[in-house]
Amino acid sequence: GAVVSQHPSRVICKSGTSVKIECRSLDFQATTMFWYRQFPKQSLMLMATSNEGSKATYEQGVEKDKFLINHASLTLSTLTVTSAHPEDSSFYICSAPTGTPNSPLHFGNGTRLTVT
Amino acid sequence: GQQVMQIPQYQHVQEGEDFTTYCNSSTTLSNIQWYKQRPGGHPVFLIQLVKSGEVKKQKRLTFQFGEAKKNSSLHITATQTTDVGTYFCAGRDTGGGNKLTFGTGTQLKVEL
Repeated sequence: GAVVSQHPSRVICKSGTSVKIECRSLDFQATTMFWYRQFPKQSLMLMATSNEGSKATYEQGVEKDKFLINHASLTLSTLTVTSAHPEDSSFYICSAPTGTPNSPLHFGNGTRLTVT
Repeated sequence: GQQVMQIPQYQHVQEGEDFTTYCNSSTTLSNIQWYKQRPGGHPVFLIQLVKSGEVKKQKRLTFQFGEAKKNSSLHITATQTTDVGTYFCAGRDTGGGNKLTFGTGTQLKVEL
């Protein structure tokens, strides 16, 4: 079945530094990928839609200059949390539809970010 | 904007009991999907419903899409400890776009 690989699974960084999270579709091409954020015991909140070859579409309230998204190829999207602060600590998870953008999503394993 | 609510938020059952989670959208949906997230894991796709009034079954799981395409339910018959996790519905607004809005989730705990 379709596999989405996300790396790293866990990262601890100091306040003010930047962290890059990679999301790869291993056995299919993804022109669109979705980045979600999940707080403990809460739902998944869509942050942005990553589009291969064009700019990402950010949801209302998400700072595009803070959460940089680059969809470098049909199998790779990256999320960079710039100048991280403790309030950015969260579970970040990417996903990709295996067919059309409306098809079911396959999720990466997620990245647990802790900013100290 | 679109809101998708689920009830209950939490459910504790004894193994063998049935379980139901209800999903309600503030807007009409083009389709609805259900996902399961185990503790510490990532969401895993279970099923997609598209048609008004559609009912689908997967072994002990029964999924239903409301006639108005604004609500859905997931029913598990005779729960097992392997059913533990959080169940999310997720829907797309008929207004178009690829955005999938996740419900608030129902956390299921199954006790022996």
